Amino acid sequence: AQSVTQPDIHITVSEGASLELRCNYSYGATPYLFWYVQSPGQGLQLLLKYFSGDTLVQGIKGFEAEFKRSQSSFNLRKPSVHWSDAAEYFCAVGTWSSASKIIFGSGTRLSIRP
Amino acid sequence: DTGVSQDPRHKITKRGQNVTFRCDPISEHNRLYWYRQTLGQGPEFLTYFQNEAQLEKSRLLSDRFSAERPKGSFSTLEIQRTEQGDSAMYLCASSLAGLGGEGTEAFFGQGTRLTVV
Repeated sequence: AQSVTQPDIHITVSEGASLELRCNYSYGATPYLFWYVQSPGQGLQLLLKYFSGDTLVQGIKGFEAEFKRSQSSFNLRKPSVHWSDAAEYFCAVGTWSSASKIIFGSGTRLSIRP
Repeated sequence: DTGVSQDPRHKITKRGQNVTFRCDPISEHNRLYWYRQTLGQGPEFLTYFQNEAQLEKSRLLSDRFSAERPKGSFSTLEIQRTEQGDSAMYLCASSLAGLGGEGTEAFFGQGTRLTVV
């Protein structure tokens, strides 16, 4: 079964600084990978996804993520954060199979220091 | 199409009562998921449907929980004899599975926040 680990529960960065949120997955075959963002009391919004092809994927709001098969990682990055980026970020993994479901990590809460 | 919609947005119920939530997926999506999210945690998978067939149920889904998707369109999640531990946000999502059964990204509704008092 697939699983996702987000090792950082809470991260604080200064506005304008760069950001990297870590995600490691466990799955025996080729996964497909996602990053979602959730603002307080809201549903989840998809930031970006990786299915195949170029391992560096671009998403909305200036985010990007890189799939590294050798490290089983899919870290999320942004070169310069804005105060509006403060939210909860979830990494998720799905599988290429007919019995597909999407499994989420426990999330990383991002705070922005003015 | 305005996306995945869930009703109600909030529900407060007394312990022991039954509650039912509804989810309307994006109209062309054939796959529908239910997740539960407690404070400070990621969404936990409960169950999912492909069209009207319930393909998988998590061990988190006790006998008090039942989900249906009778015509392959909207879905309901019922919790019988609610307990305080059922208090959580219940999220619905939908996606379009490919011809080979492979999945795609899931689009989420705003969720139903359940409080059991």
